[in-house]
Amino acid sequence: EAGVAQSPRYKIIEKRQSVAFWCNPISGHATLYWYQQILGQGPKLLIQFQNNGVVDDSQLPKDRFSAERLKGVDSTLKIQPAKLEDSAVYLCASSFSGRDHEQYFGPGTRLTVT
Amino acid sequence: RKEVEQDPGPFNVPEGATVAFNCTYSNSASQSFFWYRQDCRKEPKLLMSVYSSGNEDGRFTAQLNRASQYISLLIRDSKLSDSATYLCVAYNAGNMLTFGGGTRLMVKP
Repeated sequence: EAGVAQSPRYKIIEKRQSVAFWCNPISGHATLYWYQQILGQGPKLLIQFQNNGVVDDSQLPKDRFSAERLKGVDSTLKIQPAKLEDSAVYLCASSFSGRDHEQYFGPGTRLTVT
Repeated sequence: RKEVEQDPGPFNVPEGATVAFNCTYSNSASQSFFWYRQDCRKEPKLLMSVYSSGNEDGRFTAQLNRASQYISLLIRDSKLSDSATYLCVAYNAGNMLTFGGGTRLMVKP
């Protein structure tokens, strides 16, 4: 079974530039999550989708971050404009509906903002 | 105060040793708990669930103490391949996972 796919794997940008990350969850997984993991810390949830609807985005910095899952399958997370403190690994995860504790993570996108 | 707190370590142990990690949580409404494992520069993966009655999976034992609001993970007969970061996770109403900062384990030959 294919896992969660993410691209790109690495991205280096300058502050104030824009960047977008893409995620394709495991087939059949209705719930999709975006996490931010800063070096030395645990993952922090940014946004959770159930199909194409947002379940929780309370920790998403909405002045610069946006995410969408228009067709309820793949998803895009965007940062515009980026700040130095956005340097982190952005992890996408998915789960079956009703089994939200068992999340399958993608390999992540390592973002460096200079 | 962080919702889920862990000692970051690192815990350096020899092969064959028994090692235990603790984790504390502040939200008494947390419904259930889990341990995830994260290898260096890799994604987190679910290791095991944690129950009040205890949960054993081979060399790994997880325990929950709701009265004291802490979770433990015990690893017996440590292997080199156990070297990783262990993330304590609380599952809350709203179907959200809250991760601790992780405890790093290094098993030496």
